[in-house]
Formats: sequence, structure tokens, C-alpha cells
Amino acid sequence: QKEVEQDPGPLSVPEGAIVSLNCTYSNSAFQYFMWYRQYSRKGPELLMYTYSSGNKEDGRFTAQVDKSSKYISLFIRDSQPSDSATYLCALSGGSYIPTFGRGTSLIVHP
Amino acid sequence: GAVVSQHPSRVICKSGTSVKIECRSLDFQATTMFWYRQFPKQSLMLMATSNEGSKATYEQGVEKDKFLINHASLTLSTLTVTSAHPEDSSFYICSANSGNTIYFGEGSWLTVV
Repeated sequence: QKEVEQDPGPLSVPEGAIVSLNCTYSNSAFQYFMWYRQYSRKGPELLMYTYSSGNKEDGRFTAQVDKSSKYISLFIRDSQPSDSATYLCALSGGSYIPTFGRGTSLIVHP
Repeated sequence: GAVVSQHPSRVICKSGTSVKIECRSLDFQATTMFWYRQFPKQSLMLMATSNEGSKATYEQGVEKDKFLINHASLTLSTLTVTSAHPEDSSFYICSANSGNTIYFGEGSWLTVV
């Protein structure tokens, strides 16, 4: 079992839909949880960062962490075609060296 | 947020030559930077951890004599791919920590012909 599991997709949704992206993990030592967006042929861009269970909201994005279930989610409201990208979850413990999911490819079609 | 700059964004080199990629933290000091390689439709593969003023720590399976890493200052790390071959063609990305948050460079596409 990999430390971090993430469905690669692709996930295709219509414009305006609510998108749910998820990762599960097995290492309870992970304390920091991040979501990155990566457009094709570009470096990952930090979207959300959290270190506790619960929800964190930033504009159309909401990050959710459930440490008891070892499950993290990223929700995108009112999805736009410009949200089409690969979304990577990243988790780290005290060393700050993150473990990445393999990324979920999201396609938002008009 | 913090900015990490990577240069060049794209480079083509001949087989057998060496190429250097620079990674700079523009608005913060980074004692540690990371170098990744990414194949198409794959996740990031950590190659090495670059430590300012000391030797880099390489991941298992990464040839340290082929991928030379230098971290001479708190804002600059370089990756040199030596005696490049076509199989080294890939997307190379650096990152740096600012506090507990990791920021990535824009990435460098290397094509070896």
C-alpha cells in the first residue's frame, strides 16, 4: 500500500459543478496537508495548506482534513474551465519533506 | 506567497554535454531545497535534498555523479546534469520550504538530442 493514494482520473465535470478531489493516507505521522494545482508543462502551484482536522476555505476552494479516517479532500465550487489541471495532494510530517499523491487530472468542460 | 524561480524553463542539449539548471528563492532564504523529476502523467519523484553549505542527500537510485547539486547560498541551488543522454530528457522541478510550506519553481524542460 502506498503512503498516499490518489485517483489519477481523469475527472470530467461540466462548468459550474462542485468538484471533490480526495486523497487517503496510511501514515499517521503526517501533520501538514497541502493541495497543489499543476497546469500542463508548469510547476505545481500551492492552493491550500492546513495542519489540522476540519475545513479551511479560500474563495471557491475548501480543504478538508479528517485525521481519524486519514482522508483529505479539496472541494472546488462553481468550477471553471480554467480549473482544468492536475491536482496533487502533498502530506508531510516533521521533516517537511512531502509525500505526494500521483495527482488527479480534472477537466471542466464548458 | 513565496516565489521560487527556476531557469532555464526549457533547454535542448546534445547528448554527452552537461546542462545546469538554477533554482532561486526570490523573497526568502532557503536552507533546504529539493529537486524533483516528473515524467508525463506521473507524480513528482524526489531526486535529492539540497542543503546549503553541505552535500546534497540523494534518493535511492539517483546517480549523484550524474546529477550534481550545489547549494552555495541561502537563495540558490543548482542541478547539473552531466554527460546527458536522451533518457535524461524530462521535466525537472525545484522546491523550497518557507516555514512549513513548500513552494515550487516553474520547472525546466530538458530535451537531450
